[in-house]
Amino acid sequence: EAGVAQSPRYKIIEKRQSVAFWCNPISGHATLYWYQQILGQGPKLLIQFQNNGVVDDSQLPKDRFSAERLKGVDSTLKIQPAKLEDSAVYLCASSSRGDPSYEQYFGPGTRLTVT
Amino acid sequence: AQSVTQLDSQVPVFEEAPVELRCNYSSSVSVYLFWYVQYPNQGLQLLLKYLSGSTLVKGINGFEAEFNKSQTSFHLRKPSVHISDTAEYFCAVSDLTASKLTFGTGTRLQVTL
Repeated sequence: EAGVAQSPRYKIIEKRQSVAFWCNPISGHATLYWYQQILGQGPKLLIQFQNNGVVDDSQLPKDRFSAERLKGVDSTLKIQPAKLEDSAVYLCASSSRGDPSYEQYFGPGTRLTVT
Repeated sequence: AQSVTQLDSQVPVFEEAPVELRCNYSSSVSVYLFWYVQYPNQGLQLLLKYLSGSTLVKGINGFEAEFNKSQTSFHLRKPSVHISDTAEYFCAVSDLTASKLTFGTGTRLQVTL
């Protein structure tokens, strides 16, 4: 079974530029999560999708971050414009159900550096 | 809302020695508890989870954790560590309805010969 795929693995941009990250979850997984992991901290949930609908985006900075999951499969997270404090690893995870007892499977992450 | 505290940011240990990584949580409702491991340049992998029942939970790679409700703790233990256990370990909590995970800041386990 293929795991969660993410691309790119690394990205370096200047502040005020835009960037997009892509995630392809495990086949058949209805729930998809985006986390932000700043160096020295634990991952923080940005947004959770159930199929193509948003379940929780309470911690997404909506003035600059956006995410979509148009066909309920893969997802894109965008930052526009980027700030220095957005430097972090962006992790995508998926789960077969949006139930907390079901395991979340994580991708390798995209490391973003904003200069 | 829940929170997780991992008091030890780094734990150095010699190979074959026992180790305990501490985790305390705060919540006004019942919770599920998790331990994840993150190897360098990789995503997180679930080690074990407590949902209900026995308070001693066994996971992969010889790790176990004990849920202590009165002390609001979920410490991770391994009786004999290997060099390959060197990684970052995260404790996480969720409530029983929403699958949002709240993570601690992590503990770096460094195993040396």
